[in-house]
Amino acid sequence: GDSVTQMEGPVTLSEEAFLTINCTYTATGYPSLFWYVQYPGEGLQLLLKATKADDKGSNKGFEATYRKETTSFHLEKGSVQVSDSAVYFCALKGSQGNLIFGKGTKLSVKP
Amino acid sequence: DAGVTQSPTHLIKTRGQHVTLRCSPISGHKSVSWYQQVLGQGPQFIFQYYEKEERGRGNFPDRFSARQFPNYSSELNVNALLLGDSALYLCASSFLDRDSYEQYFGPGTRLTVT
Repeated sequence: GDSVTQMEGPVTLSEEAFLTINCTYTATGYPSLFWYVQYPGEGLQLLLKATKADDKGSNKGFEATYRKETTSFHLEKGSVQVSDSAVYFCALKGSQGNLIFGKGTKLSVKP
Repeated sequence: DAGVTQSPTHLIKTRGQHVTLRCSPISGHKSVSWYQQVLGQGPQFIFQYYEKEERGRGNFPDRFSARQFPNYSSELNVNALLLGDSALYLCASSFLDRDSYEQYFGPGTRLTVT
């Protein structure tokens, strides 16, 4: 079945460092792909999305490119801030219209 | 505009009891989905409802059931609670069902089973 694998955390970075969180997927066809963020004590917020191959999703300085050749959707940010500390989830849209999530990667940014 | 709301925020139940969780979608949204998020894991899909009909179901036992009301709000019911049901239960709403790919999540209900 469809699945998402993302790098395990936690990831600890200093402020202004470069961030990469790896995400790969297994699916039939080319599903829409998403990154969601969960701040402490809160629900999930959509960070960015891509609906077809080679699409680049971007928001708040974060970017991810839909790579069908490598079945990947890695999240990147050039300069992280303390306020980016959160748990990041990679997800794909399943055949039932549901979201299939990875296990999440906790990011801690130190000042 | 109000986002997705869920109630209660927190809940403590005993093994074997029954629980009902509630969700109100964003105004105008007709689809509601439920997810279970166990600590340290990603959310797992439980149900999706659209226009009061079940449109999708995840791999959960029959102890889990849900329904959607004419005003598009929804309830998730869990019978015969087990310790393993302790989790954050998330509700998400969207305008359409499987054709809509943007789901908006509520803050969740934290269920603790003792």
